[in-house]
Amino acid sequence: DTAVSQTPKYLVTQMGNDKSIKCEQNLGHDTMYWYKQDSKKFLKIMFSYNNKELIINETVPNRFSPKSPDKAHLNLHINSLELGDSAVYFCASSQDYGTQYFGPGTRLTVT
Amino acid sequence: QKEVEQDPGPLSVPEGAIVSLNCTYSNSAFQYFMWYRQYSRKGPELLMYTYSSGNKEDGRFTAQVDKSSKYISLFIRDSQPSDSATYLCAMSAGIKAAGNKLTFGGGTRVLVKP
Repeated sequence: DTAVSQTPKYLVTQMGNDKSIKCEQNLGHDTMYWYKQDSKKFLKIMFSYNNKELIINETVPNRFSPKSPDKAHLNLHINSLELGDSAVYFCASSQDYGTQYFGPGTRLTVT
Repeated sequence: QKEVEQDPGPLSVPEGAIVSLNCTYSNSAFQYFMWYRQYSRKGPELLMYTYSSGNKEDGRFTAQVDKSSKYISLFIRDSQPSDSATYLCAMSAGIKAAGNKLTFGGGTRVLVKP
């Protein structure tokens, strides 16, 4: 059973398009996260939700909008995609301090 | 300067050797320290988790934290080709109201040669 799953795994799209990435966790955790990993492997937090409430909102362009319909799901919608948005996006979840479990990632390529 | 510094490598060792990885950090509020392993095109998986200073051992893996020096290490004994991956250190101040924010190092790529 996959603990943290993401769809799609790969996403290739053109500049200016709008796209969404979905994340689901079956661990019963109360906190979910979105991270962005750039080409140099640097992993940076974007957002965090705790029980559907936004807790962390790092300096991310407002073209990125997270939505948590329930505590097991956290989606990421991206408007007006730009070349610089190309990266791998990871979803993660946790129940206690620091023990975060990551999904397999969504590789976004903007052309 | 980044909050967490990690040598990107690559670090190449022969099979059976000890792999030594480390990170330095600047934020004295960090209390929780983790090491994640990431295989190519996969998500990071938690290897070791340590609270405050001290050592922790789990099989072939030993994690050390020296808060006075703001320095953490991971040692892999009897390294295997399957240990070839990128190793990421991560840290947290452990403040739940702040969302348990993890700050990562840039990762060290390790290659264990048969």
